[in-house]
Amino acid sequence: DSGVTQTPKHLITATGQRVTLRCSPRSGDLSVYWYQQSLDQGLQFLIQYYNGEERAKGNILERFSAQQFPDLHSELNLSSLELGDSALYFCASSVEEGSYNEQFFGPGTRLTVL
Amino acid sequence: AQSVTQLGSHVSVSEGALVLLRCNYSSSVPPYLFWYVQYPNQGLQLLLKYTSAATLVKGINGFEAEFKKSETSFHLTKPSAHMSDAAEYFCAVSDSGAGSYQLTFGKGTKLSVIP
Repeated sequence: DSGVTQTPKHLITATGQRVTLRCSPRSGDLSVYWYQQSLDQGLQFLIQYYNGEERAKGNILERFSAQQFPDLHSELNLSSLELGDSALYFCASSVEEGSYNEQFFGPGTRLTVL
Repeated sequence: AQSVTQLGSHVSVSEGALVLLRCNYSSSVPPYLFWYVQYPNQGLQLLLKYTSAATLVKGINGFEAEFKKSETSFHLTKPSAHMSDAAEYFCAVSDSGAGSYQLTFGKGTKLSVIP
């Protein structure tokens, strides 16, 4: 158990819908990262927050947005869902920002868009 | 831009045999390198990391990796495979440059261990 929690574990929804994925980082970790894992694209970085502020953006679609709240939990919002958004979404956290820091991964949320 | 290439999407070894999973990286600045393991229906777990200290890095579960700058490689090895090592392994790189905190992953190598 990494100490990072993600809810829900599974999510099934229809095209055009909007969903919210939730992540609670390890106690004391200030940085949160979101990754998408799909069969064709592999593991891709989406976005990073540090202590409530956006720090880095990767291959995140404009239909996707995220935020980190004062209690440090984070939410990833996916809207106007398409079939291709079906994937495993991981949240990771680290103590500080900085590329040498180990990132601890949650168990993921499996999103299925029908 | 940084990138990672993992040679072999699927590797099979016999129980007790040497495990060798290959990773080559590309980075414009000195990299930080990581190996993660993913068991079925689970998140990623860090096996080991290289952060410019010793070039031979020892990790958990008997795995180790050697950083070779001249070959831009960071191959993962284990002397004797165990059935419990069957999983998918990901090599990842992170630039040491400021503002580049995300991990860039390779496509992964699925390791099968034959009894």
